[in-house]
Order: sequence, then C-alpha cells, then structure tokens
Amino acid sequence: QQQVKQSPQSLIVQKGGIPIINCAYENTAFDYFPWYQQFPGKGPALLIAIRPDVSEKKEGRFTISFNKSAKQFSLHIMDSQPGDSATYFCAASMAGGYNKLIFGAGTRLAVHP
Amino acid sequence: EAQVTQNPRYLITVTGKKLTVTCSQNMNHEYMSWYRQDPGLGLRQIYYSMNVEVTDKGDVPEGYKVSRKEKRNFPLILESPSPNQTSLYFCASKPRGMNTEAFFGQGTRLTVV
Repeated sequence: QQQVKQSPQSLIVQKGGIPIINCAYENTAFDYFPWYQQFPGKGPALLIAIRPDVSEKKEGRFTISFNKSAKQFSLHIMDSQPGDSATYFCAASMAGGYNKLIFGAGTRLAVHP
Repeated sequence: EAQVTQNPRYLITVTGKKLTVTCSQNMNHEYMSWYRQDPGLGLRQIYYSMNVEVTDKGDVPEGYKVSRKEKRNFPLILESPSPNQTSLYFCASKPRGMNTEAFFGQGTRLTVV
C-alpha cells in the first residue's frame, strides 16, 4: 500500500516528441505528488508537484495529469529537448509527521537530437 | 548558495571497516533524511530526523546509524559495512511544514568489497 509504481523504466524519444511517464499508487491517504528530475552525478531536484484536488498542473513544458479515481498520475514533457535527458522519479507523501516521500523506481529518459 | 553538502562523493572500503558519510545543510532546515538509490528500486529512506536529537527509522534502516547533534549536520554511520550496502546515498533536507520541497545533496557512491 505504500508503493508507487512507475513506468516505463526507460524511454527514448526524438527532439520535439512528448514523452509520458506514468505512476500509480494504492494508498488513498497520499495527498501530495511531486516529480523529481535527476541529472547524472547530481542529486534529485523538484521539478513539479500536484495535489489531488486538481486534475492538471502545467509549469513551462512540463505537465502533470492526475486521475484521482484511477489513482494514477503522469508527467508529460512537451517539445522535449536533449537537455531534458535525465532520470525522472515520481513520488507521493501524506500529511502528518515527516511527510515521508515514497519514490517510484525511476524512468531514464533520453531525448535524441 | 543554499545547498546540502555530502562528503565524500566516492568511497571504496572493505567489509567491516567502520565509515561515516557526512551531510551538512546551510538552509536552517528542521527536517533531514538519508536515502539510498539502487537500480530499479528508486530512492528508499534509511533514517530521518525532525529536529536536533530526534531521529527515527525509515524503510531500510538495518546496518545504519545516524545522529543529529546540531541542526545543520546529519551524518550517516556504517559501523560494519557489508557488500549489500554498496549503493548511491543521498542526504536531503527540507523545512518544517506540510509537503515542503526536499533539497538533495550530490550523492555519495559507496562500494564495499
């Protein structure tokens, strides 16, 4: 119930394509869903986050779609660029205490020129 | 510059030789935590701390110790490292509050032979 399942494990797109990364969860107590971006040799950094009271959030070329009834959320990268090549982690947490982040397994994205 | 600093960045050690990975943050954050990152498993929390002298186990605490004697520092101690602790380790800090952003260090790649 504490798991967050992420797919695909890896993804290759051409420049300008729209990669989509999917995540699913079971615990309905989760109330915060961030995405972290990690470049090689660096720590993860917050990219965008959503709460379950909205179905979509956009920040620049990055969009989170959220389906509360299906317990799924996804990251879309519009007009992807080679500089977007990184590993992406979805995560979930619930209110109270430390607000521990439960991470998905990660998706390694490669955007080819 | 606001940052989380881990040292060392790379470490190769032998089974059973005690080691410490240091973590320091300059953002005056109350919350700090340690994660390990393994292929196909994402990031898993080892230990966390909500304040000075307040620490608790995460999801994979076996074989690790931590201490929080000062607000800015949160060292990770492996008293008798084993090969299954070979991994990429990240320290993170975040301010107190509901679902605040976590800031990660650059990582420590540990190899135990």
